Amino acid sequence: AQKVTQAQTEISVVEKEDVTLDCVYETRDTTYYLFWYKQPPSGELVFLIRRNSFDEQNEISGRYSWNFQKSTSSFNFTITASQVVDSAVYFCALRPGGGSYIPTFGRGTSLIVHP
Amino acid sequence: DSGVTQTPKHLITATGQRVTLRCSPRSGDLSVYWYQQSLDQGLQFLIQYYNGEERAKGNILERFSAQQFPDLHSELNLSSLELGDSALYFCASSVAGQLNTEAFFGQGTRLTVV
Repeated sequence: AQKVTQAQTEISVVEKEDVTLDCVYETRDTTYYLFWYKQPPSGELVFLIRRNSFDEQNEISGRYSWNFQKSTSSFNFTITASQVVDSAVYFCALRPGGGSYIPTFGRGTSLIVHP
Repeated sequence: DSGVTQTPKHLITATGQRVTLRCSPRSGDLSVYWYQQSLDQGLQFLIQYYNGEERAKGNILERFSAQQFPDLHSELNLSSLELGDSALYFCASSVAGQLNTEAFFGQGTRLTVV
């Protein structure tokens, strides 16, 4: 069975602070995909990144960076120099590489960035 | 704007009733996915269609059904509604048939069962 844990329910920071959102997963699959999504107050889900289990390279996209570590089953997301517009709920998700293809989502981390 | 259109945006209905949620995918996308987001269960994958055929099935109740039409739009039918079915229902679409591709989400339909 798959499991995704986002232990941080809510994080509150002041603008320009760096913030890391944690994601820990459990799976028996050797091939799988990890995702991060953003859900701003307007409600829609926005795809941020996909990472497959064979690619442990960290990725940076502007102020966003992701740290994938298979050894600790973690796929953490860091926002550098946070901005008020980053305020949203962020979801981590895991999808197996085969079989049922059914993704499992974490419960989300609500990030509040204060001006 | 993701290009995925969901209608209606809000729906209020009584227990025991049946509703249909509609989704128009982005132009060119062959896959449609349905998700349910509720306070109790969080975000749950319901079902995926690819080019008219069911591709993957998640925790979708037997009271719920979906289909994808030849023009690629999709409908999610919810029947014998219960209070616990109140949730935000998302549709997403992607070009390819696998869920590991980037998916674009609609703004959701908020269903309230009273």
